[in-house]
Amino acid sequence: EPEVTQTPSHQVTQMGQEVILRCVPISNHLYFYWYRQILGQKVEFLVSFYNNEISEKSEIFDDQFSVERPDGSNFTLKIRSTKLEDSAMYFCASTLGGNTIYFGEGSWLTVV
Amino acid sequence: GIQVEQSPPDLILQEGANSTLRCNFSDSVNNLQWFHQNPWGQLINLFYIPSGTKQNGRLSATTVATERYSLLYISSSQTTDSGVYFCAGYYGGSQGNLIFGKGTKLSVKP
Repeated sequence: EPEVTQTPSHQVTQMGQEVILRCVPISNHLYFYWYRQILGQKVEFLVSFYNNEISEKSEIFDDQFSVERPDGSNFTLKIRSTKLEDSAMYFCASTLGGNTIYFGEGSWLTVV
Repeated sequence: GIQVEQSPPDLILQEGANSTLRCNFSDSVNNLQWFHQNPWGQLINLFYIPSGTKQNGRLSATTVATERYSLLYISSSQTTDSGVYFCAGYYGGSQGNLIFGKGTKLSVKP
């Protein structure tokens, strides 16, 4: 069964450093997303991406965050200058559009 | 406001028992989905269920969109069913802004 894959599975970074989280969405999907989940809390929407541009973003997705689809398969989330409160599990997801959404296994980010 | 509320927040079952998890959602939320987050953090889509009833093995789900609720049934629970169950719905006409509930943490004891 096709799946969304994410790398790295876990990353520890120092505060102020830049982090790039990578995702390979399901190949025929058109919409791509990043969500995050702070430990013990609910999953929160960050951003959606369609047709090579951001289609929606939440209040969490401020100027420190950016997304990119550098080629036909990868979808990345960049955090420019990490803060302690950025520590969370980051999930990539994809859909064909408005229906069943498939999540990757997540990337644990720990900012120290 | 935008709301997805789940109950109960915690549930402990003996292996083999049945359970029902509930999700209430506000008018601005639609196209309900149920997810299972396993102890390793992985989010697995169980059902895309904007309305009606679906079954998959020991799990089934029913959404009554007109009354703004959805139910997830787990029958003959197993220890591997443990984890957190989330319901989530798309906000308004969004194509990806899923609003999640706080989840029901299920522990199935052997």
